[in-house]
Amino acid sequence: QVQLQESGPGLVKPSETLSLTCTVSGGSVTGDYWNWIRQPPGKGLEWIGYIYYKGYSNYNPSLKSRVTLSVDTSKNQLSLRLTSATAADTAVYYCARWPLTDIGVYYYMDVWGKGTTVTVSS
Amino acid sequence: EIMMTQSPATLSVSPGERATLSCRASQSVYSNLAWYQQKPGQAPRLLIYGASTRATDIPARFSGSGSGTEFTLTISSLQSEDSAVYYCQQYNHWPPLTFGGGTKVEIK
Repeated sequence: QVQLQESGPGLVKPSETLSLTCTVSGGSVTGDYWNWIRQPPGKGLEWIGYIYYKGYSNYNPSLKSRVTLSVDTSKNQLSLRLTSATAADTAVYYCARWPLTDIGVYYYMDVWGKGTTVTVSS
Repeated sequence: EIMMTQSPATLSVSPGERATLSCRASQSVYSNLAWYQQKPGQAPRLLIYGASTRATDIPARFSGSGSGTEFTLTISSLQSEDSAVYYCQQYNHWPPLTFGGGTKVEIK
């Protein structure tokens, strides 16, 4: 059973780069598609983007200029980098899976990590 | 970008009663809609995909219906553990995937 665990600095200074990792256990990063979603305090969910280990990716247009997603197959990890962080990037960040089956990929998130809280503040 | 609008913002229901949550898309998403449940301090959990298919291990009291632009999540007999925020998400037109603003279900 696939499990996801996000990790990274809980505090980032404004204008710096926010970097997070998601470790996949119970499965392989090469087996599915992977997403990042965030949730500002007391607010709803915002999709950041997805990545597949072969290099396919796509991003929310609102964040595209600042976001890079990557996969490290040797570590079975995903990574998110968000440059030029501001207070508006303060949120709980989740990684989540799109299941890939013999039929194809399904674009709903069926497995989620517990999330990691990032605060952008000086 | 597809806008997803959920109503009501808050729903207060007595245990054992039916809860009906609505989600509207700004244009047709066919049946490419999912519902998630989020309890305080927890990650969202997938309840429904394809507008009406229950995810693994989801109790039968949860059901989804609708297609096009109008969708409904029904909890047939509300239990205390169903107190949560519920989000709909469309996956027909993307990027970006978009979520509704959520409906908070309270136990009366």
